[in-house]
Amino acid sequence: EVQLVESGGGLVQPGGSLRLSCEGSGFTISNYWMGWVRQAPGKGLEWVADIKQDGSEKQYVDSVKGRSTISRDNAKNSLYLQMNSLRDEDTAVYYCARDGSSLRAFDIWGQGTMVTVSS
Amino acid sequence: EIVLTQSPATLSLSPGERATLSCRASQSVSSHLAWYQQKPGQAPRLFIYGASNRATGIPARFSGSGSGTDFTLTISSLEPEDFAVYYCHQRSSWPLTFGGGTKVEIK
Repeated sequence: EVQLVESGGGLVQPGGSLRLSCEGSGFTISNYWMGWVRQAPGKGLEWVADIKQDGSEKQYVDSVKGRSTISRDNAKNSLYLQMNSLRDEDTAVYYCARDGSSLRAFDIWGQGTMVTVSS
Repeated sequence: EIVLTQSPATLSLSPGERATLSCRASQSVSSHLAWYQQKPGQAPRLFIYGASNRATGIPARFSGSGSGTDFTLTISSLEPEDFAVYYCHQRSSWPLTFGGGTKVEIK
């Protein structure tokens, strides 16, 4: 079965750091762009970051630029999001998702991991 | 940044009725537009890609149309499992963006 499983969420104080992980199974992530999308409680979806198959290109939404780093380890079939200087407004469920190549859409999503930034 | 505006915010309909959801882009996204369905407590699920192509396993009652700046998701006859929130999403240019969503609720 093709799936993505996130981990690493939790409660963190403002200004703190967190590293999210996402492990793929049933497919090889090295063949795909991969991304992170978040959803604040009761709100809509917001794209956060994307990374190319070999990690040579990374894109970020402005609100996390300079504070977050997307990375991947294709040997471990895993995707990561390192988040620093966390703010209240970063509180959200974070989903990892596969960019379905020619589909130009996120065709596989993880179940999400909750990040709560609060003192 | 390309802004996607979805309308209406809420659509109240009965099972069996036709639903028409709109997504308007602030500039052309060609046909690089996708639609997702999300139910409470669940991850989004891809329904339509390339503006008009149904994803794997999506019933034929769902159809997408449009190109450029104006797009429509149509559900020809609502089934009970179709009541959910639908988001449009553009992958034409960075940053990627989503619309604010349309909630299809039972009338």
